[in-house]
Amino acid sequence: DAGVTQSPTHLIKTRGQQVTLRCSPKSGHDTVSWYQQALGQGPQFIFQYYEEEERQRGNFPDRFSGHQFPNYSSELNVNALLLGDSALYLCASSLGGDNYNEQFFGPGTRLTVL
Amino acid sequence: GDSVTQMEGPVTLSEEAFLTINCTYTATGYPSLFWYVQYPGEGLQLLLKATKADDKGSNKGFEATYRKETTSFHLEKGSVQVSDSAVYFCALQNTGFQKLVFGTGTRLLVSP
Repeated sequence: DAGVTQSPTHLIKTRGQQVTLRCSPKSGHDTVSWYQQALGQGPQFIFQYYEEEERQRGNFPDRFSGHQFPNYSSELNVNALLLGDSALYLCASSLGGDNYNEQFFGPGTRLTVL
Repeated sequence: GDSVTQMEGPVTLSEEAFLTINCTYTATGYPSLFWYVQYPGEGLQLLLKATKADDKGSNKGFEATYRKETTSFHLEKGSVQVSDSAVYFCALQNTGFQKLVFGTGTRLLVSP
């Protein structure tokens, strides 16, 4: 049973460019959450997708957007990249609902903005 | 808003030493509390959790007790191993939401 997978593993972009990161959830999971982990910091919640809609959003600008597909996979898009967007981007999947269900994390995508 | 504060690292220990990593939180309501571990080059793994006051979470020799009166969830292990070297994150999830709020992480280095 494959866990959460993310692609690509590493990515290098320049300021002003746009980037798309991808996540496939663990089998049977229908909810995907995205987190940004800057170097030496804890992960920060970006947003969560459930039933193809953004259900919850953290304190991130509109340059950060996402999408969830019918097969529950998800994309994170970041427009107009800034140097400060350099980070490890983590995807986590879980079962839907408002009660706690364990979030399983992928290995992350390391984004470097030059 | 909700927040988690962890002791700064790195914590450097010899094998078989006792480990404590402090964690305190600020939250409205009655959050669930977690410890996650991140090994080099890997994603986060749930280590243990506690969902209500006085609950003790435990796994792989690690323990943490949910103390509502002191808003704390300190991680302990009686005898660390070199393989425990990793970054440990304390986190909370508030009632009714799945968003996790993380601390800044504490790096543990265990030498033989």
